[in-house]
Amino acid sequence: KAGVTQTPRYLIKTRGQQVTLSCSPISGHRSVSWYQQTPGQGLQFLFEYFSETQRNKGNFPGRFSGRQFSNSRSEMNVSTLELGDSALYLCASGVAATNEKLFFGSGTQLSVL
Amino acid sequence: QQQVKQSPQSLIVQKGGISIINCAYENTAFDYFPWYQQFPGKGPALLIAIRPDVSEKKEGRFTISFNKSAKQFSLHIMDSQPGDSATYFCAASRMDSSYKLIFGSGTRLLVRP
Repeated sequence: KAGVTQTPRYLIKTRGQQVTLSCSPISGHRSVSWYQQTPGQGLQFLFEYFSETQRNKGNFPGRFSGRQFSNSRSEMNVSTLELGDSALYLCASGVAATNEKLFFGSGTQLSVL
Repeated sequence: QQQVKQSPQSLIVQKGGISIINCAYENTAFDYFPWYQQFPGKGPALLIAIRPDVSEKKEGRFTISFNKSAKQFSLHIMDSQPGDSATYFCAASRMDSSYKLIFGSGTRLLVRP
């Protein structure tokens, strides 16, 4: 089985721009979660989608949004980028029957200049 | 109440030694406690996890010890190997919050040959 696939792997943007990150979950997984990883704040939960519906949301501003498609693939969008948005954005997928066994992708490294 | 505190921040162990990483939590509603291992350039990978109805879980060289009354849990890596050198994260979540994991700040482990 292929793992969680995130594209692109690296991204460089400038302040004020917007960005869209993509995630393909493991085949058969219906839940997709997004996390932000920074050296200062560590791993922080952004949001989780299941069957195209947002089930949980973390404490991030409205500039951060996401969606899930009928094939379980997910995208997250960050509008009006700020320098502090520079981070590794990780997508994770799970079966969603319980809260166990979350599988992470290798992430998208976003640099905001 | 949502925090998970992890220590130490970094750890150096000789090959063959025991690595011990500790975590503490406040929210008694947490009912799932996983440990993740992350190598540079990769996303976190689930190592081992425990639920509060057991005090210990062992998988190979990795053991979780759980103390419900103290609200603490720890990861023990027996016979530590250079290949175990990575960053380790503890986490906690609630069954009713699906994949919203609250992560500790991470421990960078270096196993010297």
